Amino acid sequence: DVKVTQSSRYLVKRTGEKVFLECVQDMDHENMFWYRQDPGLGLRLIYFSYDVKMKEKGDIPEGYSVSREKKERFSLILESASTNQTSMYLCASSYQYYEQYFGPGTRLTVT
Amino acid sequence: TQLLEQSPQFLSIQEGENLTVYCNSSSVFSSLQWYRQEPGEGPVLLVTVVTGGEVKKLKRLTFQFGDARKDSSLHITAAQPGDTGLYLCAAIIQGAQKLVFGQGTRLTINP
Repeated sequence: DVKVTQSSRYLVKRTGEKVFLECVQDMDHENMFWYRQDPGLGLRLIYFSYDVKMKEKGDIPEGYSVSREKKERFSLILESASTNQTSMYLCASSYQYYEQYFGPGTRLTVT
Repeated sequence: TQLLEQSPQFLSIQEGENLTVYCNSSSVFSSLQWYRQEPGEGPVLLVTVVTGGEVKKLKRLTFQFGDARKDSSLHITAAQPGDTGLYLCAAIIQGAQKLVFGQGTRLTINP
């Protein structure tokens, strides 16, 4: 079974803090994704990566950056957290672009 | 404007009843996936359909892909409380290398 793990299930940070969310997959997938999920807005793609050190902007990249130094690890960075970044963050990986396998999510609260 | 429209948005029924939820678009899909997401967890891939008219069964769940590959349905027979969750459809819109998610159907099965 594909396993995607995320570093934290719940996180509370203060406005202005730098926040790191880490995702690790164990299936040697080329593609990795970061989404945020908000009520009424569904899943929105922040960034994705199709190879080590490669990244592409998704639909809502503003305020976020990513890092993929190793194939199995994809990090999402909030450079200066703001209250409107309070959300559920979901990491996913896939061999093909579709059929994505998701981690359990990180519920981030920015106060 | 949502590229993928799911209906209904909310559905609450009694254990043992049957139900169908829908996923529609004006665009043609290259492939379509259904996911189930339980509260506080990430989405879990249930099925992928690729061919127009395709029908796949997963125990009490039947997935159908429309002949024109613009719509899909998920039918659950004899619903159980364990079926409770958010059901998401996701599709690659033909001609665009992008996975698009619907808003989801929130299903509650009451004992």
